[in-house]
Parts: sequence; structure tokens; C-alpha cells
Amino acid sequence: ETGVTQTPRHLVMGMTNKKSLKCEQHLGHNAMYWYKQSAKKPLELMFVYSLEERVENNSVPSRFSPECPNSSHLFLHLHTLQPEDSALYLCASSQDRKSTNEKLFFGSGTQLSVL
Amino acid sequence: RKEVEQDPGPFNVPEGATVAFNCTYSNSASQSFFWYRQDCRKEPKLLMSVYSSGNEDGRFTAQLNRASQYISLLIRDSKLSDSATYLCVVNFGGGADGLTFGKGTHLIIQP
Repeated sequence: ETGVTQTPRHLVMGMTNKKSLKCEQHLGHNAMYWYKQSAKKPLELMFVYSLEERVENNSVPSRFSPECPNSSHLFLHLHTLQPEDSALYLCASSQDRKSTNEKLFFGSGTQLSVL
Repeated sequence: RKEVEQDPGPFNVPEGATVAFNCTYSNSASQSFFWYRQDCRKEPKLLMSVYSSGNEDGRFTAQLNRASQYISLLIRDSKLSDSATYLCVVNFGGGADGLTFGKGTHLIIQP
């Protein structure tokens, strides 16, 4: 049983749709992250939130819009996506973001297909 | 430059054998190192941290060679359940957002 839950597990959407991914962590962590994992590529960090404040945005297109209403919940709002955005989107949390020994706990991911 | 390189494999290994694979990293100032395991269509999970003196957890041994800038993972007495992709992760500085992932090494244990 993971301490980080993500919904939905699978999502198929058209390029004109608007959808949201949801993540919730039950670990009492202060930092939450969105990662993208495409086939044959390493995990790419998209956004970082620390104590509900966005601290990093790795040049992610504006069609991806994160929201962190509190330290336990994280959303990724999607609109007008492109087929190349199809990937596994992973939410993660850590105790905080400042320690170099920080360990990440991942949710099970949302497999997104954009048609 | 922050790069983590791994042989993608697949490594096909008979059950019970010992298998080892390496990961190289680009920045000598790198501060912390990890191996994560990812099963097919699942999320990555921390397998073990890698310490300067080397460390062991059951059948798994991780080693760090700072001079040559690589870390290694050795699996003894491999089990079918060890089949997975092993991700090398390096922290180049800063907090958890400084983590850089390799593409992973795919391991297949054959009966």
C-alpha cells in the first residue's frame, strides 16, 4: 500500500479536452513533485512544490498547469495537449526538498494517451 | 552538465546467478546516490542508498567509486522476482529536486 495515491491510473484524451490528474500523499511530507516518464527516456522533473509554494518549473509548456491547495494534495491540470505529451506522469513526495539525501516516494502514476 | 548514464540492457540472467551493472555520472561534486527499482508499468521505488564505504542489503550490494565517477549494483543469487528496471539516481546538489535519473537498466531473470 503506497503512501502516495494518484488518480486516474489511465487517461485517454483528445487534443481539445481538459482533464486533471490528482495526487494525495498520506506521509506527512512537505514537498511534492510532478515527473514525466516517456518511453526510452529518463524521468524528467516538471514541477516542485514545497509547503504549497511552487519552487521550480522546469520550462514546462503552459498547457500543463499545477495546483497545490495544501501540503497533502497536488493536481496537474491538462488542456490542449499534443500527442507527444503521451507518457507516464508520476507524482512523488519527500519529507522536505532541501536535504541531499532526500528520498522520493512515488505514486503509481497516470498513463496518459493523447489522441 | 548533469548526466547519469546506464547500459539499458536487457540483461538476461539465469535464476541463481550473480549479476552486476554500473552507472556513470558526470559531475564529481555529486553528493548522494541511489538505486531505485521500477517494475513494468509501475512506479519507481527506492531500493537502496549508496554510501561511500559501500553497503549491503541482503542479496544486494551497492558500491561507489568517486575517483572514476561510477556506482554499481550487484545482485547475488538472483530470483525471478528481481526482474525489473533498475534506475540509477544521482543528486548533483540541492535538495530532492536536484535528483537526476538514469534511463534504467532492464534486468530479466530467466528460470
